Amino acid sequence: GAGVSQSPSNKVTEKGKDVELRCDPISGHTALYWYRQSLGQGLEFLIYFQGNSAPDKSGLPSDRFSAERTGGSVSTLTIQRTQQEDSAVYLCASSSLGEAKNIQYFGAGTRLSVL
Amino acid sequence: DQQVKQNSPSLSVQEGRISILNCDYTNSMFDYFLWYKKYPAEGPTFLISISSIKDKNEDGRFTVFLNKSAKHLSLHIVPSQPGDSAVYFCAASAALAGSYQLTFGKGTKLSVIP
Repeated sequence: GAGVSQSPSNKVTEKGKDVELRCDPISGHTALYWYRQSLGQGLEFLIYFQGNSAPDKSGLPSDRFSAERTGGSVSTLTIQRTQQEDSAVYLCASSSLGEAKNIQYFGAGTRLSVL
Repeated sequence: DQQVKQNSPSLSVQEGRISILNCDYTNSMFDYFLWYKKYPAEGPTFLISISSIKDKNEDGRFTVFLNKSAKHLSLHIVPSQPGDSAVYFCAASAALAGSYQLTFGKGTKLSVIP
């Protein structure tokens, strides 16, 4: 596709349930990032994948959060045993190599509501 | 501890005038700075960026100024248009240190009044 694609666009779940959020980056982009934006806050870094290297998980808020990237393309962010404080917009971004590697392109996000 | 700060949550400007959005940072390792624009229910859209080796970068109506000694950058929009009304986020990375993750400010909501 032309841009970063995320699904679902909205997800409502009950506290304690697991959720999976999907990101399809721009074709050819080797780097993939997950961020989240809670109400009234800026975007908060979660995790970063670059090619086949081990991901940078330094932003994950707890061990309930995990992510994987299969085949260097699509990524899935999983939140286990969701809590109300997990409610936020989860945004995925990708970037290419070379001079443009500093510029990240974002998807429209998944709005997660934990009841 | 906020490393990137946008101290003005909102700004209103008359159409045709200049909009100036400000951003301050505290981390000396930051060496690449970006501005993103965000409409409701959409993801942030890249607007303009600047490397720490420069003090100005211009792209059409948008100019970003960087003052490294003051750890301050600003985005100028001239002339402002109603379509510029959006939330603007300042972001920074420590690219030379190999850290490409972006640290964002909380955003400034710009309203351009026709």
